[in-house]
Amino acid sequence: DGGITQSPKYLFRKEGQNVTLSCEQNLNHDAMYWYRQDPGQGLRLIYYSQIVNDFQKGDIAEGYSVSREKKESFPLTVTSAQKNPTAFYLCASSHPSRDRFSGNTIYFGEGSWLTVV
Amino acid sequence: DAKTTQPTSMDCAEGRAANLPCNHSTISGNEYVYWYRQIHSQGPQYIIHGLKNNETNEMASLIITEDRKSSTLILPHATLRDTAVYYCIVKVQGAQKLVFGQGTRLTINP
Repeated sequence: DGGITQSPKYLFRKEGQNVTLSCEQNLNHDAMYWYRQDPGQGLRLIYYSQIVNDFQKGDIAEGYSVSREKKESFPLTVTSAQKNPTAFYLCASSHPSRDRFSGNTIYFGEGSWLTVV
Repeated sequence: DAKTTQPTSMDCAEGRAANLPCNHSTISGNEYVYWYRQIHSQGPQYIIHGLKNNETNEMASLIITEDRKSSTLILPHATLRDTAVYYCIVKVQGAQKLVFGQGTRLTINP
């Protein structure tokens, strides 16, 4: 089935460590995104990529890094510079299109929980 | 992106229609109205979107007022599995950014 796969579902990190969250999609979508969600809050955009080898900062990029070497993959690294990394992380993708009914709708993965211990 | 205003929470009886309102009084002419929902600890699920006309799909109906300053998402026969947080978002077609507000926490009661 086509979809967005995030792994791991649950991850624990010690303070001072970098961790990488995986996001893979087989929807042939050009654009991919990373969002962060804190308990009881809405989603905030960390980074997004519209095409391979290109990405832009979102609203809360500090302490995070990404790469987009393949169309299907958009891993997110949470670095030790991120002071409060415990959160729910969501990856998403979309396929820009001129069709107003199907184009540019953003679809989400199931999320990854990151906890700092 | 325009801001949206939604009630914090709503209740609905199982089997009845759930009507979720959203105000977007500053919406621009080229901005679409999108609805997503999020069940606890899962990724948001796309429901429906529209520009001017009312839209219907297998999940829901979207009613947009003529002045486009508000809209209503209708779940025609709510079930317990429809309990979730529902987000109303306005976005320019082609824009990459979805701005999520606090949403409406909908509880379907047996």
